[in-house]
Amino acid sequence: DAKTTQPPSMDCAEGRAANLPCNHSTISGNEYVYWYRQIHSQGPQYIIHGLKNNETNEMASLIITEDRKSSTLILPHATLRDTAVYYCIVGGYSSASKIIFGSGTRLSIRP
Amino acid sequence: DGGITQSPKYLFRKEGQNVTLSCEQNLNHDAMYWYRQDPGQGLRLIYYSQIVNDFQKGDIAEGYSVSREKKESFPLTVTSAQKNPTAFYLCASSPDRTSGNTIYFGEGSWLTVV
Repeated sequence: DAKTTQPPSMDCAEGRAANLPCNHSTISGNEYVYWYRQIHSQGPQYIIHGLKNNETNEMASLIITEDRKSSTLILPHATLRDTAVYYCIVGGYSSASKIIFGSGTRLSIRP
Repeated sequence: DGGITQSPKYLFRKEGQNVTLSCEQNLNHDAMYWYRQDPGQGLRLIYYSQIVNDFQKGDIAEGYSVSREKKESFPLTVTSAQKNPTAFYLCASSPDRTSGNTIYFGEGSWLTVV
């Protein structure tokens, strides 16, 4: 079973910030939080990952709560091209940890 | 260009036949993975490999087999024992430990049993 819980779907107006929540209450101390997104019938694309501190890159920001039991992915200015399924997963800091994907959140961007 | 190449993109198989899906990466990544995705569902791990000549079963390994004879190659065979093989198959790889566990995916292969 996936170690994360996400809402099945969300929508956001174009140009606004999209905030995607994820619960990972059983996360262990050495596990990272990773976010990927998948556009229909393509391979998932890496977005961002973090351990404890908030992270930001050119695509998104990741906010992790102090107790690390939940996180939020923020797309600061959503565009129609951000319509996708977003997966939040947790995994260890090794090259071949067993990475389990849940069902993700289907994000729809409204024009 | 560096990346992960899966082939074929589309494959049709008759019932009772084995088929092999190719996955090649030129990223010099240590670990490689195979996932299966059914329509509207998330990804499920079939097999993964950390180093050459070594691999481990994922959650749904029954009916599948893999090999890792070369670092850059991780082919997946869907055997006749797999009762419902029609799905979207994704190959992935990840770099060494110093880079964490960021996974990079290929574009996928669609397998249909006819």
